[in-house]
Amino acid sequence: DAGVIQSPRHEVTEMGQEVTLRCKPISGHNSLFWYRQTMMRGLELLIYFNNNVPIDDSGMPEDRFSAKMPNASFSTLKIQPSEPRDSAVYFCASSPHIITGTPNTEAFFGQGTRLTVV
Amino acid sequence: AQKVTQAQTEISVVEKEDVTLDCVYETRDTTYYLFWYKQPPSGELVFLIRRNSFDEQNEISGRYSWNFQKSTSSFNFTITASQVVDSAVYFCALTEADSNYQLIWGAGTKLIIKP
Repeated sequence: DAGVIQSPRHEVTEMGQEVTLRCKPISGHNSLFWYRQTMMRGLELLIYFNNNVPIDDSGMPEDRFSAKMPNASFSTLKIQPSEPRDSAVYFCASSPHIITGTPNTEAFFGQGTRLTVV
Repeated sequence: AQKVTQAQTEISVVEKEDVTLDCVYETRDTTYYLFWYKQPPSGELVFLIRRNSFDEQNEISGRYSWNFQKSTSSFNFTITASQVVDSAVYFCALTEADSNYQLIWGAGTKLIIKP
């Protein structure tokens, strides 16, 4: 298995533009997570899905952020409109276990998308 | 209050030295899990270990070892005979029932191994 695949690896965009980050989880994994990493705030969980259903999006910073998981093999994180303070590394991770009622075991992370909004 | 504290922001040692990365956690749950992840310069996060709160046995994996002590709420990570390839940021994390088992991250410790 190729692991969690994220695209693009790097994205530079102008303020106000729409940005879409993509993630392909490991086949067979039930849970998918989107994280944001910045120097100031460290790693933050934005949203997670169980069996393609969003469970907790309380970490999504603003209405400008939205995430979808149309099927078990694909998820997107969209920022519209983007702002310079959205500049960060965005990680997607998947786990073979469903979160609710069971502990989160190891999560497998993608290589991240480094987003720069100028 | 911070639930996972990695007090060492950055550590620099010379190759072949042993180095210990500290992790102190806070939880009221009796059932919880502790993790270490490695983030090399390439950026990805690599899972290293998971321990549950009922298993205080120390674990050794090659040059890596982990010391879990509930009495001090610590889960420290030691690299023996460090190598340049160990240079990375290391994150300690916690999951607990109160947080619906979401990963709660420490701030990370940047480890620099000099040749």
